[in-house]
Amino acid sequence: SAVISQKPSRDICQRGTSLTIQCQVDSQVTMMFWYRQQPGQSLTLIATANQGSEATYESGFVIDKFPISRPNLTFSTLTVSNMSPEDSSIYLCSVEGSGRSADTQYFGPGTRLTVL
Amino acid sequence: KQEVTQIPAALSVPEGENLVLNCSFTDSAIYNLQWFRQDPGKGLTSLLLIQSSQREQTSGRLNASLDKSSGRSTLYIAASQPGDSATYLCAVRPAAGNKLTFGGGTRVLVKP
Repeated sequence: SAVISQKPSRDICQRGTSLTIQCQVDSQVTMMFWYRQQPGQSLTLIATANQGSEATYESGFVIDKFPISRPNLTFSTLTVSNMSPEDSSIYLCSVEGSGRSADTQYFGPGTRLTVL
Repeated sequence: KQEVTQIPAALSVPEGENLVLNCSFTDSAIYNLQWFRQDPGKGLTSLLLIQSSQREQTSGRLNASLDKSSGRSTLYIAASQPGDSATYLCAVRPAAGNKLTFGGGTRVLVKP
């Protein structure tokens, strides 16, 4: 299995500001995934982050709004830029397991963001 | 485009009763299907993973079945306990690519 931590666990931010969310994994992984879960909704994939290359964004998500860094095989950040109340969500990072846990997707505890 | 549906959206049962949660998907070209549990305001915990070639997986009181041809999976939780109260999500991984498509979840309440 993979153990994933996220910082911060929650935050309350003002409209127009930016927040950077950190994701740390206890093992080296090729791909890291960032998801958004809006209130009462299911999960939507924002982007896939590979180490050493630009992140791949899903339809409806753009790099200017959600810049992602992937400096090494155990760490990634997601920034939510120029926030508005519509960005209030839980943001989760995810990785695939390895070895016997390959194909299993593991999730971090999430970052609960409230934008006022 | 893959669509994943979970019915019912919410379920309330008395303690001890068996739970049956349904997940249906429109495109049968899947690589695997995974069931997760999510407690309020928290991340997801993986419960069971079923590969497309498998019919079922079991872990303790949990059993998940997969009928790929009909686009269905069912999660059974035997002898439910109040601690089983949570939202249960299923997610499908396509045969090509690794993007998961999630269902809307079933919110379960087990009453003592």
